[in-house]
Amino acid sequence: DTAVSQTPKYLVTQMGNDKSIKCEQNLGHDTMYWYKQDSKKFLKIMFSYNNKELIINETVPNRFSPKSPDKAHLNLHINSLELGDSAVYFCASSPSSSVVDFGPGTRLLVL
Amino acid sequence: AQKVTQAQTEISVVEKEDVTLDCVYETRDTTYYLFWYKQPPSGELVFLIRRNSFDEQNEISGRYSWNFQKSTSSFNFTITASQVVDSAVYFCALSVHASGGSYIPTFGRGTSLIVHP
Repeated sequence: DTAVSQTPKYLVTQMGNDKSIKCEQNLGHDTMYWYKQDSKKFLKIMFSYNNKELIINETVPNRFSPKSPDKAHLNLHINSLELGDSAVYFCASSPSSSVVDFGPGTRLLVL
Repeated sequence: AQKVTQAQTEISVVEKEDVTLDCVYETRDTTYYLFWYKQPPSGELVFLIRRNSFDEQNEISGRYSWNFQKSTSSFNFTITASQVVDSAVYFCALSVHASGGSYIPTFGRGTSLIVHP
């Protein structure tokens, strides 16, 4: 029944590794997002896709690559993980001009 | 560019006190949406309210009320008779139109509300 789901919920990994976070929404929304929440709770938009097309790509290192195989999925792949990548990553979705529904978050810890 | 300012980083109150969380926004768009989200200690983001730029009516929902004033670009949130369960980080967000018919929310830095018993 979960509207926006993310896997995994927790991710602990070593510096230099490559990891992916998966996101799926079953709401039929056109727009999906990735947000990063740092240790000070600041929520910053990373990417936004509308109907599988990238519309927002904020200043994010190119080690981060989003992939949207279809409207219901927006996965985030991170190469060469760094300590500063440790954060909570939220996937979200929205129909046009409406409420953004957030996933439960993925807590990433890079050691 | 859009900006949301939540000047109060942390507010501490005692149960049953009323508390107001401030939110000031900046945008040149005439059509936009304002939101409040709650993030309890468990970490999920919970939607509380959405307002569009053409609807300045204030809203009350139980102990929660919102005051939208376009003249001062503010969208403040008041909790009446606060309870310990209200302890959370509260985010104000502004959503403006991007390409493809979608809207992109920009969040304030959040206000951490601590309600003591």
